[in-house]
Amino acid sequence: GAVVSQHPSWVICKSGTSVKIECRSLDFQATTMFWYRQFPKQSLMLMATSNEGSKATYEQGVEKDKFLINHASLTLSTLTVTSAHPEDSSFYICSASRTVQETQYFGPGTRLLVL
Amino acid sequence: SQKIEQNSEALNIQEGKTATLTCNYTNYSPAYLQWYRQDPGRGPVFLLLIRENEKEKRKERLKVTFDTTLKQSLFHITASQPADSATYLCALQTGANNLFFGTGTRLTVIP
Repeated sequence: GAVVSQHPSWVICKSGTSVKIECRSLDFQATTMFWYRQFPKQSLMLMATSNEGSKATYEQGVEKDKFLINHASLTLSTLTVTSAHPEDSSFYICSASRTVQETQYFGPGTRLLVL
Repeated sequence: SQKIEQNSEALNIQEGKTATLTCNYTNYSPAYLQWYRQDPGRGPVFLLLIRENEKEKRKERLKVTFDTTLKQSLFHITASQPADSATYLCALQTGANNLFFGTGTRLTVIP
């Protein structure tokens, strides 16, 4: 149990386009989902926390208008990178937890390359 | 400033030996400390969680210690196997369930 999937697993796009990444909890309902970004040889950095049905809470330095997060259901959260630029190329990982205090289960990640 | 440091970027060890990885932190007061395994191009996989009032936790060949005075956690893999080769991340969890990750130690177990 506690499986989290992400789609797509990798994406290549042109600079200026928008990219949507989906995060799904497959066998449990996730009240809270988290989005992380990981650059090569660096640690996972939390970008934002989203609770189902409410607005996401962004970490300092993360532009909420550039990284749009929607958590419309208890099994799906989406991250849209708007007007992507090469510096947004990274490994994006989501996690989900049943409640805000419970263990986070991580997805397999989405590798984004912006040309 | 807040820091989470894992002792080395890479660690090589002979199969069958015990691997010991270190996680040190400053300016955090974690409620929990967690260890994850991450394989290349994959998301982290949860291994163990230890609470601030616990000294040691074991799971099969894994052992974690947590010293809140030293602000340090040690992660041991006994009887290491080549399949244990991966990057191991420590993560501090605050009361709000935010996780703050270290940069990881890439472990290679040599047959």
